[in-house]
Amino acid sequence: SQQGEEDPQALSIQEGENATMNCSYKTSINNLQWYRQNSGRGLVHLILIRSNEREKHSGRLRVTLDTSKKSSSLLITASRAADTASYFCATDEGAQKLVFGQGTRLTINP
Amino acid sequence: DAMVIQNPRYQVTQFGKPVTLSCSQTLNHNVMYWYQQKSSQAPKLLFHYYDKDFNNEADTPDNFQSRRPNTSFCFLDIRSPGLGDAAMYLCATVDGGRVAYNEQFFGPGTRLTVL
Repeated sequence: SQQGEEDPQALSIQEGENATMNCSYKTSINNLQWYRQNSGRGLVHLILIRSNEREKHSGRLRVTLDTSKKSSSLLITASRAADTASYFCATDEGAQKLVFGQGTRLTINP
Repeated sequence: DAMVIQNPRYQVTQFGKPVTLSCSQTLNHNVMYWYQQKSSQAPKLLFHYYDKDFNNEADTPDNFQSRRPNTSFCFLDIRSPGLGDAAMYLCATVDGGRVAYNEQFFGPGTRLTVL
C-alpha cells in the first residue's frame, strides 16, 4: 500500500537557491521520516519528525508536519550540487514497517 | 564502521535461472527488510524479519523467498527470475522494539539484470 505522495515529482533549481518538497499521506501516523537516495545507491535517513512535533531542523534541512492536513514539507536551504538526489518521505504503517512515497528528484544546477 | 553490506552490487542472471542476493550487517539490529525498487519508483517492501519471525507482504510473489540464518545475514532468493524482476534490491535494518520510531539503515543495493 502507498501511504505518501510527493510533490513535485521533479525539481530543478540553481545552486544556492532553496528547495521545497511536499509529502501528503492518508492515515494517522506516529512519525514521518525523510530519506535521500543518490543515483544507484541505498537510502540515507535525513530526519524524523514525530506526530506531536510541528517543525524540526537539522543543519540546512527544515521539516514541517501538519497532521490536520496530513502533509509534511522538506526545505533544503542554500542548495549545493551535492544535494542532487531523490528525496523520499516515509510514514509508519503498523509497528514494523515504513511506506515510502514516490519521491522527488532534485537537481541542483551549478 | 557499523554498516549494512550487500553483495554483489551488480548481478546479471538469465531468465528463469535462480539467483541469491545477500545482505549482512554489523549493527546487530534485530529487524531486517528486503525492498524492491524499480526505476524512478518508491522502494516496495517484499518482506521483513523481526528476529527470526518472517513477515511476508501480501503482494510479494511466491517467486521471492528469504532466509535469515542468523542476526547478521539475510538472503533474498529469486527462484525463477522474470524480466519484470529486474530492479534494485535494497536491504535495510532497524533496531527493534519500537521500530516505527527508529531510522532504517540501508545497504547500497544490488542491481539485478535479467537477460
